[in-house]
Amino acid sequence: GAVVSQHPSRVICKSGTSVKIECRSLDFQATTMFWYRQFPKQSLMLMATSNEGSKATYEQGVEKDKFLINHASLTLSTLTVTSAHPEDSSFYICSATTGHNSYEQYFGPGTRLTVT
Amino acid sequence: GQNIDQPTEMTATEGAIVQINCTYQTSGFNGLFWYQQHAGEAPTFLSYNVLDGLEEKGRFSSFLSRSKGYSYLLLKELQMKDSASYLCGTMDSNYQLIWGAGTKLIIKP
Repeated sequence: GAVVSQHPSRVICKSGTSVKIECRSLDFQATTMFWYRQFPKQSLMLMATSNEGSKATYEQGVEKDKFLINHASLTLSTLTVTSAHPEDSSFYICSATTGHNSYEQYFGPGTRLTVT
Repeated sequence: GQNIDQPTEMTATEGAIVQINCTYQTSGFNGLFWYQQHAGEAPTFLSYNVLDGLEEKGRFSSFLSRSKGYSYLLLKELQMKDSASYLCGTMDSNYQLIWGAGTKLIIKP
């Protein structure tokens, strides 16, 4: 089956620093990748949709300059949280699809970010 | 607007059957999904319905009525490991997934 990996699985950083999270599709080409944020006991919140080779589409209320997304290849998308603050502490999950005809999103295992 | 409603929490007994309902209003419709999510883990795919009717997969079944904007996930022979959150999501005309808030299912022995 389709496998998506994320790295790192956990990261602790100091306030004001930047953190990069990688999302890789290991055995398929992901034309579209999604980045979600999930706060404790809440559902997934879509942050942005990322298509390979083009700019990400951000959801309303998500700061594009703070959450930088790069989808440089068909197997890799990165999310960089710039100048992180404690309120950015969350569970970040990526998912990938092979295209519009593929209905299933394959989720990565998630990255737990803690900003101190 | 777009909206998905599902109960916040449900409790059931091991070995029993539970039905988790989901109602939705979306702009365009390209299918409805159910995902299971254990605490601290990423969601895992359970089912996808795009046509009306019941889809059965082992202990889990999912039903869809497009005219009513309604779906349910039916879990039979409940096991303790089924304790999790169950997320209902629909895919709109832009192929974007809209998620419900999730239903936390608690299984008691």
